[in-house]
Amino acid sequence: QKEVEQNSGPLSVPEGAIASLNCTYSDRVSQSFFWYRQYSGKSPELIMSIYSNGDKEDGRFTAQLNKASQYVSLLIRDSQPSDSATYLCAVNIEGSNAGNMLTFGGGTRLMVKP
Amino acid sequence: DTAVSQTPKYLVTQMGNDKSIKCEQNLGHDTMYWYKQDSKKFLKIMFSYNNKELIINETVPNRFSPKSPDKAHLNLHINSLELGDSAVYFCASSQRGREKLFFGSGTQLSVL
Repeated sequence: QKEVEQNSGPLSVPEGAIASLNCTYSDRVSQSFFWYRQYSGKSPELIMSIYSNGDKEDGRFTAQLNKASQYVSLLIRDSQPSDSATYLCAVNIEGSNAGNMLTFGGGTRLMVKP
Repeated sequence: DTAVSQTPKYLVTQMGNDKSIKCEQNLGHDTMYWYKQDSKKFLKIMFSYNNKELIINETVPNRFSPKSPDKAHLNLHINSLELGDSAVYFCASSQRGREKLFFGSGTQLSVL
């Protein structure tokens, strides 16, 4: 059973729309949650982190966490063609002695059409 | 200045060969990692190392071994390469207590 699941997509949205990316995880002790963006042929880069239930906003990005439902999402407002990339959800278990042993989902490919 | 650099960027080799990928970080981080990303984009942790402790993902074959000559370097050695080892390998680093990972640009390994 996969530990972090994402719809692989592609998710296609028109420019200016809201893109909604979803992620579910299986480990109830997970404490930290991250969204990484990966452009084709490039390395992942961190765009959002969230640790407590509720919403966290940063510019056009909003991360939402619901630990009871084991669900984390990323909303991108006013989507731009430059947002077209694969978005990777990652979770970490608090107290790990091995640094950030993140478990990643398979990613959702987002396509923003002009 | 490149924060996390890995070489080579591309590596094409025959089955059964032994190869190494080098990684260096100039961020002063105390923890380094190796991740493997397969063709379906799944990014899986292979190793975490912080010069005192090596954590190995139990699913990683023992043909893979990390070598750390110092805090800024974590190289990946692979023995007896197999077709299934073909993937992109990412080195990453972080500072203990800070959860942001900084990734290298990746090494595309193709085993023929």
